Amino acid sequence: NAGVMQNPRHLVRRRGQEARLRCSPMKGHSHVYWYRQLPEEGLKFMVYLQKENIIDESGMPKERFSAEFPKEGPSILRIQQVVRGDSAAYFCASSPTGDDGNTIYFGEGSWLTVV
Amino acid sequence: GNSVTQMEGPVTLSEEAFLTINCTYTATGYPSLFWYVQYPGEGLQLLLKATKADDKGSNKGFEATYRKETTSFHLEKGSVQVSDSAVYFCALPNDYKLSFGAGTTVTVRA
Repeated sequence: NAGVMQNPRHLVRRRGQEARLRCSPMKGHSHVYWYRQLPEEGLKFMVYLQKENIIDESGMPKERFSAEFPKEGPSILRIQQVVRGDSAAYFCASSPTGDDGNTIYFGEGSWLTVV
Repeated sequence: GNSVTQMEGPVTLSEEAFLTINCTYTATGYPSLFWYVQYPGEGLQLLLKATKADDKGSNKGFEATYRKETTSFHLEKGSVQVSDSAVYFCALPNDYKLSFGAGTTVTVRA
C-alpha cells in the first residue's frame, strides 16, 4: 500500500511564476490536508479537503494560494505569483475519515525555493 | 481549540544518554495524542500514539504515556543513538486537523 505521494519533491521558481504541488493520498483515503513548514518553524495547517470539497481553508493566505481535490486525480496546491517568502516545505497528509483520533499520514513533502 | 505546548530545543545528547521531551496539552475531552518524527530532508512519520488516558504508546525504543492528571504526553527514550537525531513533534486533533507543537530538534553525538 503506497503511502502519500507528493511531487515534485523539489521545485525552484522565479519570483512571479506559478508553483503547482501535487498530492496523491493513500489508497482508500478521501481526506487530504496541506501543511506548510517555514524554515526553522513548525507545521502550520493550511487547508483540509475532501473529494471535490474544501472543508476548511482557514490557514490559507487570502491571496495567491488555492487548493483543489478533484473527483479524479491528485490534490493540487497552487501558488500564483510566488514571492521569496513562499519558500518552504509543503506537506500533504491524508486520512481515511476526518474523525478526531484518526491518524493522518504525511507525504515526503515538496520543497519550494523561490529565487 | 485544542493545543499542545512542547519543550523547545535544541537538545544535544551523547549516544546512550536518556532523552525526555516534554509535551503538555490543552483539550476538550480526551483526544488521541501523537508524536511525529522528522528526519533531515524528509517528511513527518508517525512515531507513536495513545488514544486514551493512561495508554502508553511505544515504538523504536521511544515511549510516551497519556497522563490526564498532568495533561502531559512526554516522550522518552532510555538510550539514544546517532540515528535518533531528528525533529520531534507532539500533536493532537483540533477538530478534524492535527495541531502541532513547535518541534524539538534533537542531535545525538557519537
